[in-house]
Amino acid sequence: QKEVEQDPGPLSVPEGAIVSLNCTYSNSAFQYFMWYRQYSRKGPELLMYTYSSGNKEDGRFTAQVDKSSKYISLFIRDSQPSDSATYLCAMIAGADGLTFGKGTHLIIQP
Amino acid sequence: NAGVTQTPKFQVLKTGQSMTLQCAQDMNHNSMYWYRQDPGMGLRLIYYSASEGTTDKGEVPNGYNVSRLNKREFSLRLESAAPSQTSVYFCASSALAGLYNEQFFGPGTRLTVL
Repeated sequence: QKEVEQDPGPLSVPEGAIVSLNCTYSNSAFQYFMWYRQYSRKGPELLMYTYSSGNKEDGRFTAQVDKSSKYISLFIRDSQPSDSATYLCAMIAGADGLTFGKGTHLIIQP
Repeated sequence: NAGVTQTPKFQVLKTGQSMTLQCAQDMNHNSMYWYRQDPGMGLRLIYYSASEGTTDKGEVPNGYNVSRLNKREFSLRLESAAPSQTSVYFCASSALAGLYNEQFFGPGTRLTVL
């Protein structure tokens, strides 16, 4: 069983919809959680990060962590065609490096 | 401020050839990383350097070597390329290794081994 599970999609939604992207994990030692966005043929770029359970908001993006359920989410409000990309979750336990999910391919239809 | 830069952007090799992928960062970061990204496999860590003068193996180090040339530069070498090494290679850097490890990525090198 992989440590981090993420549905690869594609997830296709109409412009303006609320998007929910999710990851589950098995290692309870993960403490620090991130979301990266990767456009086609580009490197991943850090979108959001959080240290603890709860919500963190940044503009149209909200990151949510539920450590008791080992579940993290990224919500995108008022989705735009420019949000079309692959979204990767990543997490860290202690001194180990990042463990990435495989990414969800998101398509926002105009 | 260029962030993380990688050269070359594209490369085609024949089986058995060698090459070095170059990476440089201008953010004064201590830690640097090499990943490969394959369809359906996600990002996998090849090697990393927590600080200048140190390197460590990641998840998939076989067939690769690295050199942390100085604080700015971290190179990845394929001594004898194999078709299984066809992939997109990303370099990343972070201020620190460990828990508070916000990594910043370069644009990638697309490598094809025939």
